[in-house]
Amino acid sequence: ETGVTQTPRHLVMGMTNKKSLKCEQHLGHNAMYWYKQSAKKPLELMFVYSLEERVENNSVPSRFSPECPNSSHLFLHLHTLQPEDSALYLCASSQGTANRYEQYFGPGTRLTVT
Amino acid sequence: AQKVTQAQTEISVVEKEDVTLDCVYETRDTTYYLFWYKQPPSGELVFLIRRNSFDEQNEISGRYSWNFQKSTSSFNFTITASQVVDSAVYFCALGGGGNKLTFGTGTQLKVEL
Repeated sequence: ETGVTQTPRHLVMGMTNKKSLKCEQHLGHNAMYWYKQSAKKPLELMFVYSLEERVENNSVPSRFSPECPNSSHLFLHLHTLQPEDSALYLCASSQGTANRYEQYFGPGTRLTVT
Repeated sequence: AQKVTQAQTEISVVEKEDVTLDCVYETRDTTYYLFWYKQPPSGELVFLIRRNSFDEQNEISGRYSWNFQKSTSSFNFTITASQVVDSAVYFCALGGGGNKLTFGTGTQLKVEL
C-alpha cells in the first residue's frame, strides 16, 4: 500500500545542516500531520494541516518548520537540530481533521542528528 | 485531559496462542473515538479499527476481535491463534473533541514459533 509516501527513509545530518523531509499522500485526503516517534515515548503530534492551512502547532521548536503547498504534499524543513531530535518522523493523512476519521501513515523517516 | 494507558510493554507468545492487548483510556468528552494501530518493523502505522463512544458492540475481523466496555473505560484487542506475522507494536489511540489523537505508549507483541 503506497497511500502515503515519505522521503527520504533514512537521514543522517549534522547539527548545522539544513534538510527537508517530504510526504505525499495519494488518498485524496484534506488533512495531513507530522508526528515524532522517539524510543519509549508515545507518538507526539507536531503539526496538523487542513486544506493547506496549519490548524495545530504543538509547541514545536522553531528549528522545525512545516510547509504544506497543497493538500497532497507536506514538508518538514529542518535546521540546526539537536541530537535529541533524532527520532522516527511520521507523516499521516486523513479525510478531515475531526477525530472520527482514521489516519493513514507513511513509513516514516528515521532521522539521526550527529 | 485525555490519557491512554497500555500497561503491557511487551508480550511474548508462542504461535497459535491467543493474546489480548489491554487499553484503558480517560476522557471527559461524551463523544469520542478509539482506534487501534499496528506498527510492524517497517515503521508505518497501519489502521486496524475505529470505534465511537456510542457503539459498544464488540467487533470481530478474522482473527482479530475488539472488546469495548465504557463501564471500565477499556478497549481491548484480542488476536486469536497468533502468527509470527502478528509480531509488531500495537498502539491504542483516543480522539475526543478537537483534532488531536492521544496515543498510548504501545505494546510490543512477539510471536515465536
